[in-house]
Amino acid sequence: QKEVEQNSGPLSVPEGAIASLNCTYSDRVSQSFFWYRQYSGKSPELIMSIYSNGDKEDGRFTAQLNKASQYVSLLIRDSQPSDSATYLCAAGLYNNNDMRFGAGTRLTVKP
Amino acid sequence: ETGVTQSPTHLIKTRGQQVTLRCSSQSGHNTVSWYQQALGQGPQFIFQYYREEENGRGNFPPRFSGLQFPNYSSELNVNALELDDSALYLCASSTGQGLGEQYFGPGTRLTVT
Repeated sequence: QKEVEQNSGPLSVPEGAIASLNCTYSDRVSQSFFWYRQYSGKSPELIMSIYSNGDKEDGRFTAQLNKASQYVSLLIRDSQPSDSATYLCAAGLYNNNDMRFGAGTRLTVKP
Repeated sequence: ETGVTQSPTHLIKTRGQQVTLRCSSQSGHNTVSWYQQALGQGPQFIFQYYREEENGRGNFPPRFSGLQFPNYSSELNVNALELDDSALYLCASSTGQGLGEQYFGPGTRLTVT
């Protein structure tokens, strides 16, 4: 079982819609969670971190964490074509300072 | 732009050779983590350096080694290169020991032939 799992996609949404990206993790000791955006040929760019159960909002982005279900999600409201990228979910393992990444979900926002 | 820089941008090496990749962390950051990203995969943690000491290591063989300097810049050294080492190598800087927010540099694309 992979430690951080994401649907590989592609996920396609129309411009202006809400994109919902999901991630599950297997290690219960994970305490910190991150969403990164990676454009083709570029390095990952941090979107948001979340450490506590519940929702965290930053502009058009909302991260949701449910530690009991070992589930993290990212909602992108009013999706724009410029949001088309691969979204990486990461979980931090504090016992080794190891950040475990999923393989990413490819999102396409169609004009 | 994160303020994290890496050099070189691209590199081609032959199997069996050795390579050194370099990373300058963002101003104010004292922790550097290194990752390997194969095509179509998420980054894989190699190791982390905090205040010049190795502060965690992933599942990579000893031929992957590193250094961090007093100015918090860092090097990744890979000996006895194998074809499977071909990947994008990313460094990320952060503050403090552990797993706070990490900011990635542009990466070094290594090709081993």
